[in-house]
Amino acid sequence: KNEVEQSPQNLTAQEGEFITINCSYSVGISALHWLQQHPGGGIVSLFMLSSGKKKHGRLIATINIQEKHSSLHITASHPRDSAVYICAVRVGGSQGNLIFGKGTKLSVKP
Amino acid sequence: EAGVAQSPRYKIIEKRQSVAFWCNPISGHATLYWYQQILGQGPKLLIQFQNNGVVDDSQLPKDRFSAERLKGVDSTLKIQPAKLEDSAVYLCASSPDRGYGYTFGSGTRLTVV
Repeated sequence: KNEVEQSPQNLTAQEGEFITINCSYSVGISALHWLQQHPGGGIVSLFMLSSGKKKHGRLIATINIQEKHSSLHITASHPRDSAVYICAVRVGGSQGNLIFGKGTKLSVKP
Repeated sequence: EAGVAQSPRYKIIEKRQSVAFWCNPISGHATLYWYQQILGQGPKLLIQFQNNGVVDDSQLPKDRFSAERLKGVDSTLKIQPAKLEDSAVYLCASSPDRGYGYTFGSGTRLTVV
């Protein structure tokens, strides 16, 4: 069993839909990251969480430390949101490594 | 603030050839990471440097992969000789001494034919 599990693996949505991507982890963490990866490989950090909830534009990320679960929400989705969204947890403190989920491939249709 | 710079952006080589990737982290970031991301999978850590010392290279295939960060700033990752299964995106990331920020480069897409 992977230490970081994401669901769903693939997600197709219509423009304007509310989207939720889930991440569960089985290890103790110091922080959780949500990352966005577009075709071509580059990764952009969207959020870093250690508790509670963060919001940036149409993106919202939440984390429940007790349940070892995090969600990424996209409101009013748009085709430009199409990308792979990766959950990664940091283990071992501020200099610790990241353990990555396999990613969720999101496709938003116009 | 400039981002993490990586080059080349793309590379195609034949198996058994050698290849090298370069990464320049964000200025002042003490920790530098090299990741390998095979298509359809999440990135896997190859090596982590703290300044010019190696913190973790347990998943680096040392028979063919090598990496260095001689002056504690930029880093090179080398594969010699390359195999077909080395086809992947190689990502470099850096983080500061304090805090949990993580910045990724754009990656180098390697295709071994």
